[in-house]
Amino acid sequence: KAGVTQTPRYLIKTRGQQVTLSCSPISGHRSVSWYQQTPGQGLQFLFEYFSETQRNKGNFPGRFSGRQFSNSRSEMNVSTLELGDSALYLCASSLLGLGVTDTQYFGPGTRLTVL
Amino acid sequence: ELKVEQNPLFLSMQEGKNYTIYCNYSTTSDRLYWYRQDPGKSLESLFVLLSNGAVKQEGRLMASLDTKARLSTLHITAAVHDLSATYFCAVFGAGSYQLTFGKGTKLSVIP
Repeated sequence: KAGVTQTPRYLIKTRGQQVTLSCSPISGHRSVSWYQQTPGQGLQFLFEYFSETQRNKGNFPGRFSGRQFSNSRSEMNVSTLELGDSALYLCASSLLGLGVTDTQYFGPGTRLTVL
Repeated sequence: ELKVEQNPLFLSMQEGKNYTIYCNYSTTSDRLYWYRQDPGKSLESLFVLLSNGAVKQEGRLMASLDTKARLSTLHITAAVHDLSATYFCAVFGAGSYQLTFGKGTKLSVIP
C-alpha cells in the first residue's frame, strides 16, 4: 500500500508570492490534516478536511487555505508569503479523521523557504 | 485558550532504565495523541487516547490518560537506543476543534 505523498518536497519562494502544496493520502482514507512545523512555534495544526469539507481549523490567518478533492487529495495554499511562513509543512491522512481511534499516517513533508 | 505543557523538554537516559514523560493540558479534553519524530523526519503516530483511564501499550512504550487531572503520561520501560527521538503530545480541545501540540520531549538513550 502506497504511503502519503507530498509534492513538492522542497520549495523556495520570495515574499509576496503564493504557493500551493499537494498531499495525496493513502488510498481509501477520507481525512487529510495539515500541520506547520517551525523551530520557533513548534508544531501547529492548520486544518483538517474530511470528504471534501473542512472539519477543523487552527489559528492561522486567512492567507492559509485548503481544499480537498473528490479523490481525497488535498491542496494547501498560502498567499502573500511572509518570511515567517518558512517551515516544514506536514500532511497526514486517516480513515475516519481526528477524534476517533484512528491512526494518522504522515507524509514526508514539504520544506518551504521564503526569501 | 488551550495550553499543552510537556516535561521534561530534554531527557537523557541510559539504556535499560525506565522513565516517564508528562503532558499537562489546561482545558477539558478527551482526546489526546502521542507522536514520535526522528531527526530530519516526519511524524509517526504512536497512540490515540480517547477516554479517562485509557491505557495503550506498544513495545516499550505505554501511554495513559487521566482527564480529571488533565494529564497524560508516556512511560518508557527498559529504554533502548532506538527509542531516541522527539516525542510530542497533542490535545484536541473540547469545543475548539483544534489540535494543540506540546513543545516536544527530546529523548536521548545512551548505550
